Amino acid sequence: GENVEQHPSTLSVQEGDSAVIKCTYSDSASNYFPWYKQELGKGPQLIIDIRSNVGEKKDQRIAVTLNKTAKHFSLHITETQPEDSAVYFCAASLLSGGYNKLIFGAGTRLAVHP
Amino acid sequence: ETGVTQSPTHLIKTRGQQVTLRCSSQSGHNTVSWYQQALGQGPQFIFQYYREEENGRGNFPPRFSGLQFPNYSSELNVNALELDDSALYLCASSWTGEEEKLFFGSGTQLSVL
Repeated sequence: GENVEQHPSTLSVQEGDSAVIKCTYSDSASNYFPWYKQELGKGPQLIIDIRSNVGEKKDQRIAVTLNKTAKHFSLHITETQPEDSAVYFCAASLLSGGYNKLIFGAGTRLAVHP
Repeated sequence: ETGVTQSPTHLIKTRGQQVTLRCSSQSGHNTVSWYQQALGQGPQFIFQYYREEENGRGNFPPRFSGLQFPNYSSELNVNALELDDSALYLCASSWTGEEEKLFFGSGTQLSVL
């Protein structure tokens, strides 16, 4: 069935270090892969996304890579700052019955220590 | 540009009661999706509304129902509340052409006692 696995569940880094979060999806028909950042008491905020016709996308300190063959995609955050601390979710879009829905991973709690 | 707004922010109900949650979509967005987020988990798709009709549904029982209004705002109704319904309910809007690109509200935290 449709599934997105996300690793690690928790990640602790020092300020300035890089952080990498990895996801694997099960449905080869998925063609859109967003990443969301969720801070305490708030809804998920879209931070970057990638479509299946692109292998990599970068936006300032954030980058996402996609390997369609292996059904893997990853989020890379460079030069981490304390304000990057949050829960990050990956997701894969699944087209079913004429509508799109997002299948989310279980989340990664990132802590950036000053 | 106004983002997605949800009300109320918090709600406490007892088992067996009914609840209605409300959502105003982001300006220019005509599709609304609802997700349930249990503590420590990722959001799970409940259903999606487009042109005032449900056009997709996840693995949720019929006591979860919704509405979309001509101004694209939406309601989520849950009947016969169960303890397991305690969760953060998230509304997300998107627009035709990029339906999968969702913008979420801050959610309604529902506690069922």
